Amino acid sequence: AQSVTQLDSQVPVFEEAPVELRCNYSSSVSVYLFWYVQYPNQGLQLLLKYLSGSTLVKGINGFEAEFNKSQTSFHLRKPSVHISDTAEYFCAVKGGYQKVTFGTGTKLQVIP
Amino acid sequence: DVKVTQSSRYLVKRTGEKVFLECVQDMDHENMFWYRQDPGLGLRLIYFSYDVKMKEKGDIPEGYSVSREKKERFSLILESASTNQTSMYLCASSRSLDEQYFGPGTRLTVT
Repeated sequence: AQSVTQLDSQVPVFEEAPVELRCNYSSSVSVYLFWYVQYPNQGLQLLLKYLSGSTLVKGINGFEAEFNKSQTSFHLRKPSVHISDTAEYFCAVKGGYQKVTFGTGTKLQVIP
Repeated sequence: DVKVTQSSRYLVKRTGEKVFLECVQDMDHENMFWYRQDPGLGLRLIYFSYDVKMKEKGDIPEGYSVSREKKERFSLILESASTNQTSMYLCASSRSLDEQYFGPGTRLTVT
């Protein structure tokens, strides 16, 4: 079985400040990891993904995430957030031939 | 660009009605998925399909069925809608069991 935990349901941050959204996973096999973003009244779109190789993954809109196998984490970071980053962010994991499991989401609120 | 479209953005139905939610993708993807999204619960998989006429239950299939007669179209059916099926429904497709492409969602209200 696999699971994903997003510990923070809401993260408020001031504009131009850095942010980290936390994601921890569990799986008994090697994993693929994803971060998706959902803007208000829209579907999800892929921010970035880790399949293999470099543990630091860069995505769209200046986001990056680091795969840490020993910590079973895949935290999302951005050095300076913008108002337009206000959205809900979902971490997801896929292990082996299993289907993708999504976390419960973290709402990022950027404060002007 | 991959495009996944859903037949309605907003839908209001009465308890006991049969409800059809349609999803169409234009990138010849083998895999298609139906999720429901509820506050605090994230996305939960209802059903998925990895080929025409093939389907597999997800985590919460009770009260739902699906149909995939053509590769590009995946329908979710609520045989007899109930108020606890009020939710946002998201359709997605993927080529491999990798990145998924999502539609805009259908917000269904059952009264």
